[in-house]
Amino acid sequence: DVVMTQSPLSLPVTLGQPASISCRSNQGLIHSDGNTYLSWFQQRPGQSPRRLIYRVSNRDSGVPDRFSGSGSGTDFTLKISRVEAEDVGVYYCMQGRDWPPTFGPGTKVDMK
Amino acid sequence: EVQLVESGGGLVQPGGSLRLSCVASGFSFSHSWMSWVRQSPEKGLECVANLTPDGSGKFYVDSVKGRFTISRDNAKNSLFLQMNSLRSEDTAVYYCVRDPDYHAFDIWGLGAMVTVSS
Repeated sequence: DVVMTQSPLSLPVTLGQPASISCRSNQGLIHSDGNTYLSWFQQRPGQSPRRLIYRVSNRDSGVPDRFSGSGSGTDFTLKISRVEAEDVGVYYCMQGRDWPPTFGPGTKVDMK
Repeated sequence: EVQLVESGGGLVQPGGSLRLSCVASGFSFSHSWMSWVRQSPEKGLECVANLTPDGSGKFYVDSVKGRFTISRDNAKNSLFLQMNSLRSEDTAVYYCVRDPDYHAFDIWGLGAMVTVSS
């Protein structure tokens, strides 16, 4: 299975400041069709996960534009340009190139 | 409103069985790939089963092969997960999810808690 790692695992943040989460895979995630199937999910306390980003950098409808995804190959990043209180939660990256799809361990974002 | 609602979770003894159900609304269920994803503190998020829109193609993670069966009833907009020979390590919240575009899970249910314990 493809192994996904994230860093940091815990990220204390300050309101209005930027934040960044790194995600790495142990194999390249580019599919033979040319697409890279890397998604980001947010899980707020007590809620189900919610997709934020798909195919590395495509933001879902309703997701604030302060969230952005980037990367290629085996290295990917989720950035929050200015953290807001509602951004507290756990963030997961996930690869969908291979079966089974695999998630990273999660990065817990909370307020300093 | 786009929605997935699971039911059927509960407490079961090791070796026992449980059947999860999921009812979909607000989108074209019969044209959607669907999956079950579970979450536990020990293993995190794990996709355990995946099903094609017509129900003919089924995929399982190794840890549940031969024990779990995914199925659907498109006439009732419903997805199922039959879980047999349950083990303590199957204890988790089970989410019904829509699976478009190479597992970019875009719709999640609220989850059903399954606890396997004597």
